[in-house]
Amino acid sequence: EVHLVQSGGGLVQPGESVRLSCETSGFTFSHYWMNWIRQAPGKGLEWVASISPDGSETHYVDSAKGRFTISRDNARSSFYLQMNSLRREDTAIYYCMAVAGLGWGQGTLVTVSS
Amino acid sequence: VVTQEPSLTVSPGGTVTLTCGSSAGAITSGHYPYWFQQKPGQAPTTLFYDVNYRHSLTPARFSASLLGGQAALTLSGARPEDEATYYCSLAYSGVGVFGGGTILTVL
Repeated sequence: EVHLVQSGGGLVQPGESVRLSCETSGFTFSHYWMNWIRQAPGKGLEWVASISPDGSETHYVDSAKGRFTISRDNARSSFYLQMNSLRREDTAIYYCMAVAGLGWGQGTLVTVSS
Repeated sequence: VVTQEPSLTVSPGGTVTLTCGSSAGAITSGHYPYWFQQKPGQAPTTLFYDVNYRHSLTPARFSASLLGGQAALTLSGARPEDEATYYCSLAYSGVGVFGGGTILTVL
């Protein structure tokens, strides 16, 4: 059975950093692209970042470029989102998602507020 | 920009088609269209990926296709539990974009 379990997040002040983690199991992690997706309060889904199976290729939404970094550790079947220089508009529930319909994490709330 | 109907209503037992369009032109399999379902207070779930590959838990009353240059999600035999917001997503050279979502009411 596929599982994606998220950790990290919480309340941070503008300009600060936070790291999200997504630990996976139940599938061959190293074969798949992985994604981070977010949902601001009361809003729709927004794709944030993706990473290739070997980590050599990454893509970001324009608002995240230069501030967020997606990475992965295939030995740990885990991937991460390092978020720096956080802004109030980054406040959202962040979800990790595996492609090919493999599954979603439970979501973690990141609140950027002073 | 990825476009979806803001809202649709279907009668119980009825059929409805949700569409997903792209301002960049016709959608092809190279856009790897996905369909997701989200119910209030819950994480999204994947219904279909890569046009019409069905998730193992997706009920058979749902189907997905490319139709007239758009991606389409068809629900045949709607049930009350199908009330949800449905999102499509497309990939543009590795960059993902979601549509705004369609709120589906079964009434």
